[in-house]
Amino acid sequence: EIVLTQSPTTMAASPGEKVTITCRASSSVSYMHWFQQKSGTSPKPWIYDTSKLASGVPDRFSGSGSGTSYSLTISSMEAEDAATYYCLQRSSYPPTFGGGTKLELK
Amino acid sequence: QVQLQQSGAELVKPGSSVKISCKASGYTFTSYDMHWIKQQPGNGLEWIGWIYPGNGNTKYNQKFNGKATLTADKSSSTAYMQLSSLTSEDSAVYFCARWGVYYIDYWGQGVMVTVSS
Repeated sequence: EIVLTQSPTTMAASPGEKVTITCRASSSVSYMHWFQQKSGTSPKPWIYDTSKLASGVPDRFSGSGSGTSYSLTISSMEAEDAATYYCLQRSSYPPTFGGGTKLELK
Repeated sequence: QVQLQQSGAELVKPGSSVKISCKASGYTFTSYDMHWIKQQPGNGLEWIGWIYPGNGNTKYNQKFNGKATLTADKSSSTAYMQLSSLTSEDSAVYFCARWGVYYIDYWGQGVMVTVSS
Protein backbone atom coordinates (compact mmCIF):
# COMPACT_ATOMS: atom_id res chain seq x y z
CA GLU A 1 0.00 0.00 0.00
CA ILE A 2 1.07 3.56 -0.65
CA VAL A 3 2.15 5.42 2.46
CA LEU A 4 1.44 9.15 2.58
CA THR A 5 3.71 11.20 4.83
CA GLN A 6 2.61 14.69 5.72
CA SER A 7 4.90 17.43 6.96
CA PRO A 8 4.95 19.15 9.23
CA THR A 9 2.79 17.19 11.64
CA THR A 10 2.05 20.32 13.64
CA MET A 11 2.60 23.98 12.90
CA ALA A 12 1.45 27.42 13.97
CA ALA A 13 1.00 30.40 11.68
CA SER A 14 0.26 34.06 12.28
CA PRO A 15 -2.61 35.85 10.55
CA GLY A 16 -1.50 36.85 7.06
CA GLU A 17 1.33 34.33 6.95
CA LYS A 18 1.77 31.97 4.00
CA VAL A 19 1.36 28.29 4.90
CA THR A 20 2.47 25.21 2.97
CA ILE A 21 1.65 21.63 3.94
CA THR A 22 3.35 18.79 2.08
CA CYS A 23 2.19 15.25 1.39
CA ARG A 24 4.74 12.78 0.07
CA ALA A 25 3.75 9.41 -1.36
CA SER A 26 5.84 6.26 -1.16
CA SER A 27 5.02 5.63 -4.84
CA SER A 28 3.73 7.83 -7.61
CA VAL A 29 0.03 8.72 -7.54
CA SER A 30 -2.06 10.45 -10.17
CA TYR A 31 -4.00 12.83 -7.97
CA MET A 32 -4.20 13.97 -4.38
CA HIS A 33 -7.23 14.99 -2.39
CA TRP A 34 -7.27 17.08 0.76
CA PHE A 35 -9.70 17.31 3.66
CA GLN A 36 -10.06 19.76 6.52
CA GLN A 37 -11.19 18.54 9.93
CA LYS A 38 -11.98 20.61 12.99
CA SER A 39 -12.21 19.08 16.43
CA GLY A 40 -15.33 16.99 16.99
CA THR A 41 -16.59 17.27 13.44
CA SER A 42 -16.47 15.22 10.24
CA PRO A 43 -13.78 15.93 7.67
CA LYS A 44 -14.77 18.31 4.91
CA PRO A 45 -13.70 17.99 1.29
CA TRP A 46 -11.22 20.77 0.64
CA ILE A 47 -9.14 20.20 -2.47
CA TYR A 48 -9.71 17.45 -5.04
CA ASP A 49 -7.84 16.20 -8.08
CA THR A 50 -4.70 17.89 -6.73
CA SER A 51 -5.67 21.49 -7.40
CA LYS A 52 -9.45 21.96 -7.57
CA LEU A 53 -11.16 23.69 -4.68
CA ALA A 54 -14.25 22.03 -3.24
CA SER A 55 -17.41 24.07 -3.03
CA GLY A 56 -17.18 26.93 -0.56
CA VAL A 57 -13.41 26.76 -0.04
CA PRO A 58 -11.81 30.23 -0.03
CA ASP A 59 -9.52 31.02 -2.93
CA ARG A 60 -6.60 31.73 -0.60
CA PHE A 61 -6.21 27.94 -0.66
CA SER A 62 -4.47 26.17 -3.50
CA GLY A 63 -3.15 22.73 -4.25
CA SER A 64 -0.35 21.51 -6.48
CA GLY A 65 1.98 18.64 -7.12
CA SER A 66 2.57 15.52 -9.12
CA GLY A 67 4.11 12.09 -8.81
CA THR A 68 5.15 11.61 -5.20
CA SER A 69 5.02 15.18 -3.91
CA TYR A 70 1.92 17.28 -3.35
CA SER A 71 1.16 20.38 -1.35
CA LEU A 72 -1.63 22.49 0.05
CA THR A 73 -0.91 26.20 0.35
CA ILE A 74 -2.71 29.01 2.13
CA SER A 75 -1.65 32.34 0.71
CA SER A 76 -2.60 34.31 3.81
CA MET A 77 -3.51 32.54 7.05
CA GLU A 78 -6.82 33.39 8.70
CA ALA A 79 -8.13 32.31 12.09
CA GLU A 80 -10.79 30.06 10.56
CA ASP A 81 -8.10 28.03 8.78
CA ALA A 82 -6.89 26.52 12.06
CA ALA A 83 -7.69 22.81 11.68
CA THR A 84 -6.15 19.47 10.82
CA TYR A 85 -5.58 18.77 7.14
CA TYR A 86 -5.36 15.28 5.65
CA CYS A 87 -4.30 14.15 2.21
CA LEU A 88 -5.85 11.11 0.50
CA GLN A 89 -4.82 9.07 -2.53
CA ARG A 90 -7.09 6.74 -4.44
CA SER A 91 -4.78 6.06 -7.36
CA SER A 92 -3.66 2.79 -5.84
CA TYR A 93 -5.58 0.22 -3.81
CA PRO A 94 -6.22 0.55 -0.94
CA PRO A 95 -6.92 4.26 -0.65
CA THR A 96 -4.70 5.75 2.04
CA PHE A 97 -4.68 8.92 4.11
CA GLY A 98 -1.78 10.94 5.34
CA GLY A 99 -1.28 11.20 9.08
CA GLY A 100 -2.56 14.74 9.19
CA THR A 101 -1.11 18.22 9.75
CA LYS A 102 -2.46 20.19 12.66
CA LEU A 103 -2.40 23.89 11.84
CA GLU A 104 -2.79 26.30 14.73
CA LEU A 105 -3.15 30.05 14.88
CA LYS A 106 -0.17 31.83 16.40
CA GLN B 1 -29.59 18.41 -0.16
CA VAL B 2 -27.39 15.36 0.34
CA GLN B 3 -27.33 14.03 3.87
CA LEU B 4 -25.76 10.96 5.46
CA GLN B 5 -27.33 10.31 8.85
CA GLN B 6 -25.50 7.76 10.97
CA SER B 7 -26.81 5.80 13.94
CA GLY B 8 -25.99 6.61 17.52
CA ALA B 9 -23.00 5.87 19.71
CA GLU B 10 -22.44 2.26 20.77
CA LEU B 11 -20.96 0.79 23.94
CA VAL B 12 -20.23 -2.87 23.32
CA LYS B 13 -18.42 -5.71 25.07
CA PRO B 14 -15.20 -7.30 23.86
CA GLY B 15 -15.84 -10.27 21.59
CA SER B 16 -19.25 -9.03 20.49
CA SER B 17 -20.41 -7.51 17.21
CA VAL B 18 -22.01 -4.21 16.32
CA LYS B 19 -23.88 -2.99 13.26
CA ILE B 20 -23.95 0.71 12.47
CA SER B 21 -26.04 2.41 9.85
CA CYS B 22 -25.81 5.31 7.45
CA LYS B 23 -29.07 6.56 5.96
CA ALA B 24 -28.65 8.51 2.75
CA SER B 25 -31.01 11.15 1.43
CA GLY B 26 -31.08 13.86 -1.20
CA TYR B 27 -29.59 11.79 -4.02
CA THR B 28 -29.91 8.47 -5.86
CA PHE B 29 -28.48 6.04 -3.32
CA THR B 30 -27.72 3.34 -5.87
CA SER B 31 -25.56 5.56 -8.07
CA TYR B 32 -22.61 6.31 -5.78
CA ASP B 33 -20.04 4.31 -3.82
CA MET B 34 -20.38 4.49 -0.05
CA HIS B 35 -17.08 4.38 1.79
CA TRP B 36 -16.38 3.64 5.44
CA ILE B 37 -13.51 5.22 7.33
CA LYS B 38 -12.13 4.67 10.84
CA GLN B 39 -10.69 7.34 13.10
CA GLN B 40 -9.22 6.35 16.45
CA PRO B 41 -9.06 9.03 19.18
CA GLY B 42 -6.30 11.50 18.40
CA ASN B 43 -5.33 9.53 15.32
CA GLY B 44 -5.68 9.91 11.61
CA LEU B 45 -8.06 8.36 9.14
CA GLU B 46 -8.05 4.77 7.90
CA TRP B 47 -10.01 3.49 4.94
CA ILE B 48 -12.05 0.35 5.66
CA GLY B 49 -13.79 -0.36 2.38
CA TRP B 50 -16.61 0.59 0.08
CA ILE B 51 -19.86 -0.72 -1.27
CA TYR B 52 -21.65 0.14 -4.47
CA PRO B 53 -25.32 -0.01 -3.47
CA GLY B 54 -26.43 -0.37 -7.09
CA ASN B 55 -25.26 -3.97 -7.22
CA GLY B 56 -23.90 -4.67 -3.75
CA ASN B 57 -20.31 -5.02 -4.90
CA THR B 58 -17.82 -4.45 -2.11
CA LYS B 59 -14.10 -3.87 -1.76
CA TYR B 60 -12.22 -4.02 1.51
CA ASN B 61 -8.91 -2.89 2.88
CA GLN B 62 -7.20 -6.24 3.48
CA LYS B 63 -6.58 -5.15 7.05
CA PHE B 64 -10.33 -5.24 7.71
CA ASN B 65 -11.12 -8.53 5.99
CA GLY B 66 -13.04 -10.59 8.49
CA LYS B 67 -13.52 -7.57 10.75
CA ALA B 68 -15.92 -5.44 8.73
CA THR B 69 -18.86 -6.46 6.57
CA LEU B 70 -20.55 -3.87 4.37
CA THR B 71 -24.12 -4.15 3.16
CA ALA B 72 -26.73 -1.84 1.69
CA ASP B 73 -30.54 -1.79 1.66
CA LYS B 74 -31.78 -0.10 -1.50
CA SER B 75 -35.37 0.07 -0.24
CA SER B 76 -34.40 2.31 2.67
CA SER B 77 -31.30 3.96 1.12
CA THR B 78 -29.28 2.77 4.09
CA ALA B 79 -25.74 1.43 4.19
CA TYR B 80 -24.55 -0.74 7.04
CA MET B 81 -21.25 -1.82 8.48
CA GLN B 82 -20.99 -4.74 10.87
CA LEU B 83 -17.87 -5.08 12.98
CA SER B 84 -17.22 -8.44 14.57
CA SER B 85 -15.01 -9.93 17.30
CA LEU B 86 -14.55 -6.52 18.81
CA THR B 87 -11.47 -5.58 20.81
CA SER B 88 -10.25 -2.35 22.33
CA GLU B 89 -8.45 -1.64 19.03
CA ASP B 90 -11.87 -1.27 17.41
CA SER B 91 -12.82 1.62 19.69
CA ALA B 92 -13.02 4.53 17.27
CA VAL B 93 -15.27 6.87 15.37
CA TYR B 94 -16.58 5.35 12.17
CA PHE B 95 -17.66 7.52 9.26
CA CYS B 96 -19.63 6.73 6.16
CA ALA B 97 -18.80 8.94 3.19
CA ARG B 98 -20.08 9.24 -0.35
CA TRP B 99 -17.62 9.20 -3.20
CA GLY B 100 -19.14 11.66 -5.65
CA VAL B 101 -18.12 12.15 -9.24
CA TYR B 102 -14.53 13.04 -8.39
CA TYR B 103 -13.96 12.79 -4.69
CA ILE B 104 -15.50 12.16 -1.26
CA ASP B 105 -18.01 14.98 -1.21
CA TYR B 106 -20.22 14.15 1.77
CA TRP B 107 -19.52 12.59 5.15
CA GLY B 108 -21.79 11.28 7.86
CA GLN B 109 -21.47 12.77 11.33
CA GLY B 110 -19.63 9.70 12.60
CA VAL B 111 -20.48 6.98 15.11
CA MET B 112 -18.41 6.51 18.26
CA VAL B 113 -17.95 2.82 19.05
CA THR B 114 -16.51 2.06 22.48
CA VAL B 115 -15.44 -1.48 23.28
CA SER B 116 -15.33 -2.05 27.00
CA SER B 117 -16.33 -4.69 29.51
